[in-house]
Amino acid sequence: AQTVTQSQPEMSVQEAETVTLSCTYDTSESDYYLFWYKQPPSRQMILVIRQEAYKQQNATENRFSVNFQKAAKSFSLKISDSQLGDAAMYFCAYRSPTSGTYKYIFGTGTRLKVLA
Amino acid sequence: DTAVSQTPKYLVTQMGNDKSIKCEQNLGHDTMYWYKQDSKKFLKIMFSYNNKELIINETVPNRFSPKSPDKAHLNLHINSLELGDSAVYFCASSPFWAREKNTEAFFGQGTRLTVV
Repeated sequence: AQTVTQSQPEMSVQEAETVTLSCTYDTSESDYYLFWYKQPPSRQMILVIRQEAYKQQNATENRFSVNFQKAAKSFSLKISDSQLGDAAMYFCAYRSPTSGTYKYIFGTGTRLKVLA
Repeated sequence: DTAVSQTPKYLVTQMGNDKSIKCEQNLGHDTMYWYKQDSKKFLKIMFSYNNKELIINETVPNRFSPKSPDKAHLNLHINSLELGDSAVYFCASSPFWAREKNTEAFFGQGTRLTVV
């Protein structure tokens, strides 16, 4: 069974600085999808970024980028120029592309605090 | 034009009562889910449905009964509520086949259930 691990329960970053959130996963599959979701205090789950395992290029979305290391099964999220609005819980998630796997597996989350 | 909407947003009820949470998506997705987020923010899959058919039931007590009248709706009925059922319940939807363009899950706003 696949598992997703986020080893940092909480992280802090100064406004305008850069922070990296860690995620590792375990799978025997060669093809899969990885995601980072943000959950602000409003509790809405918001997609930050997605990465297809078959793509070697790391995904980027404005100030958000990932470092995808397939062999190491690592998928970290880098937030550049951190803003107060980035403060939230961040969840790493995994999904198998096979039709028999109808679920997203989430890590335990990292609470990000942004200091003014 | 909310993509995934669930009602109510808040639900406070006494132990032993029966309650329902409704969910609707207008994204045309075939697959819908119920997730439970506990007080530690851990997101755990409860059920997933594909085209009205139950696919996953993750060892959820049979007091929880999902119902999907059509592929755009997935409701959750809970009988004989217990204190331990207090949590945030999220409905989500996604494309059936992960190789479609948008592979991520789209979430509703969550329902905070408090059992007193």
